Amino acid sequence: EDQVTQSPEALRLQEGESSSLNCSYTVSGLRGLFWYRQDPGKGPEFLFTLYSAGEEKEKERLKATLTKKESFLHITAPKPEDSATYLCAVQDLIQGAQKLVFGQGTRLTINP
Amino acid sequence: DGGITQSPKYLFRKEGQNVTLSCEQNLNHDAMYWYRQDPGQGLRLIYYSQIVNDFQKGDIAEGYSVSREKKESFPLTVTSAQKNPTAFYLCASTRGQGNIQYFGAGTRLSVL
Repeated sequence: EDQVTQSPEALRLQEGESSSLNCSYTVSGLRGLFWYRQDPGKGPEFLFTLYSAGEEKEKERLKATLTKKESFLHITAPKPEDSATYLCAVQDLIQGAQKLVFGQGTRLTINP
Repeated sequence: DGGITQSPKYLFRKEGQNVTLSCEQNLNHDAMYWYRQDPGQGLRLIYYSQIVNDFQKGDIAEGYSVSREKKESFPLTVTSAQKNPTAFYLCASTRGQGNIQYFGAGTRLSVL
C-alpha cells in the first residue's frame, strides 16, 4: 500500500530563515510526486510535479527535489506570505485512472 | 476564466438528512475526483470518475454516492448512512493520466 509521511507537522520560521520540508514515500512504482500549497479554508494549489530521482524544480523561493525514497521542499529566505500548509502526494494508477495518495501536510508559519 | 466551482461554500446537515455538494468544471477535463479532508489529515479519496456515466469507489466511499451525467458535473451526495460527515470536501479534475489534478475551493460540511 502506498504511504506518504510528511515532517515536521508544523514549522515556525522567522522571515528570511531558510529551511526544508520533508516528504517520505513508499510506492510500488512512482509515476509522479506532487507538491501543493493550501491556504486555510481553500483548495490546494498546484506547485510542482517530479517524476524521477535527481529531478529538481524551482519557483520563486521554493525548490523541490526528489530521491528514490523522499522529496524535499526547500524554502529560501521565506516571507510571511509563504505561510500555508504544504501537501505532498504520490501518483498511482488504479485501473488506468490517476490516484493521488496524500501526506498529512506541513503547516508552515513565517513570522515577520 | 476556466476553473472548478464548488457550491455551497458552507453546508449544514440535520440528522437523517441527505445533502448534495455541487462540483462543476469548465476545463474540459475528462476525470473528476472527490476528496475528504479532516483536520491534521491528508486528503482521502471518496469517488472518482474517468468518463461520463462511469465512476469508481475510492478509499472511503461508504455513506456517499455520486453521479456523472455530464462531463462538466460530478455531484456528491452525503447520505444519512455517513455517521461522521463533518469535514472539508474537495473536488478535483484532470485531463487524463499523469496530469495535474486541479482543485476547487471546497465545501465545509457540518452537522447540526
